[in-house]
Amino acid sequence: DTGVSQDPRHKITKRGQNVTFRCDPISEHNRLYWYRQTLGQGPEFLTYFQNEAQLEKSRLLSDRFSAERPKGSFSTLEIQRTEQGDSAMYLCASSLGPPLYEQYFGPGTRLTVT
Amino acid sequence: RKEVEQDPGPFNVPEGATVAFNCTYSNSASQSFFWYRQDCRKEPKLLMSVYSSGNEDGRFTAQLNRASQYISLLIRDSKLSDSATYLCVVNVRYGGSQGNLIFGKGTKLSVKP
Repeated sequence: DTGVSQDPRHKITKRGQNVTFRCDPISEHNRLYWYRQTLGQGPEFLTYFQNEAQLEKSRLLSDRFSAERPKGSFSTLEIQRTEQGDSAMYLCASSLGPPLYEQYFGPGTRLTVT
Repeated sequence: RKEVEQDPGPFNVPEGATVAFNCTYSNSASQSFFWYRQDCRKEPKLLMSVYSSGNEDGRFTAQLNRASQYISLLIRDSKLSDSATYLCVVNVRYGGSQGNLIFGKGTKLSVKP
């Protein structure tokens, strides 16, 4: 399978704990995106990387959130001091550079904060 | 006004019906347009890009009207397997930014036997 993969698929954590998610993009894609989706809403953009450079961050991305893509391949998204409002599906997507903006999504990590 | 607005749905149609989804976007700088399909508790999957001249892929036809800032998706001869949520998606570039995908809330389609 050469699609986008994410790990873990599900994560249950207690409020105040830190969590880290991993995304492996499609191998030839140099752009990687993180989104968050809650029930009944479309995905909301969080941040994106071109190779190892983090080029854009949404104001949705509070100081408790940090993302890295150290070697321009896989990426991690860390949430510190989780809150119940962080419960959501965290989706990763990847794409080739412009002019092709078609993004392909991974299966997501469903986070539940209790 | 939300950046991308869609018909609220749900649409409940019988097999074989033709169904149309509409979407409007607020930013005239929008450059790329897509329809994604999302099954329950799954990730969005790209259904088709939408081109200015309109485009068709089998039973699916997408159209774009830049003047009205309106996008549509037509599904002909609907199948049970078409049941899903359809997301209208727009990419907007600002200055040197590459732009990000802005998703509508989605319209739920349920095709009944």
